[in-house]
Amino acid sequence: DTGVSQNPRHKITKRGQNVTFRCDPISEHNRLYWYRQTLGQGPEFLTYFQNEAQLEKSRLLSDRFSAERPKGSFSTLEIQRTEQGDSAMYLCASRRDSGNTEAFFGQGTRLTVV
Amino acid sequence: AQRVTQPEKLLSVFKGAPVELKCNYSYSGSPELFWYVQYSRQRLQLLLRHISRESIKGFTADLNKGETSFHLKKPFAQEEDSAMYYCALRAGSGGSNYKLTFGKGTLLTVNP
Repeated sequence: DTGVSQNPRHKITKRGQNVTFRCDPISEHNRLYWYRQTLGQGPEFLTYFQNEAQLEKSRLLSDRFSAERPKGSFSTLEIQRTEQGDSAMYLCASRRDSGNTEAFFGQGTRLTVV
Repeated sequence: AQRVTQPEKLLSVFKGAPVELKCNYSYSGSPELFWYVQYSRQRLQLLLRHISRESIKGFTADLNKGETSFHLKKPFAQEEDSAMYYCALRAGSGGSNYKLTFGKGTLLTVNP
């Protein structure tokens, strides 16, 4: 599968623990996005990278959340001191750098905080 | 701020019947509109975009700027069309990050 890859697919964690998710975009895609989707809602934008630079963060991204894309390839999203409200599907998408290109989504990481 | 509204959470039709999934948006600039589809246990994927003006899997959608709508239509629904459909908006040329704003989605069920 040469699409966007996310790991793990599922994560169950206890409240207060830290978790980290990984996204591997399609190889030639410069732009990478993280979205969060809760039950009954559409995906909501969290943050955006162009190469290794994080260019925008949503106000949904509290200071417990941090995202990196150290070499402009894969990205990680870390949540510290997880809360039950963090339970959601975390989606990654990538697209090429030019013009009106399509964003391709990964299958997501489903986080459950118990 | 931009917003996308999909008024129907659930839509159920019979095979062969016409289907219309509604989408309304609010955005002060020139938007790009998309329909994404998610089949059971599959990832979110692009179905169509307004700038392409094409029909995909028999679906079409026309951007109506006067009514700020981008409804998705298909004249004869098939069982394999059963899926979750999301309307999404992307800020036009002024929004260099090209992030998407999604509606809450409509679950379409096509009954045999």
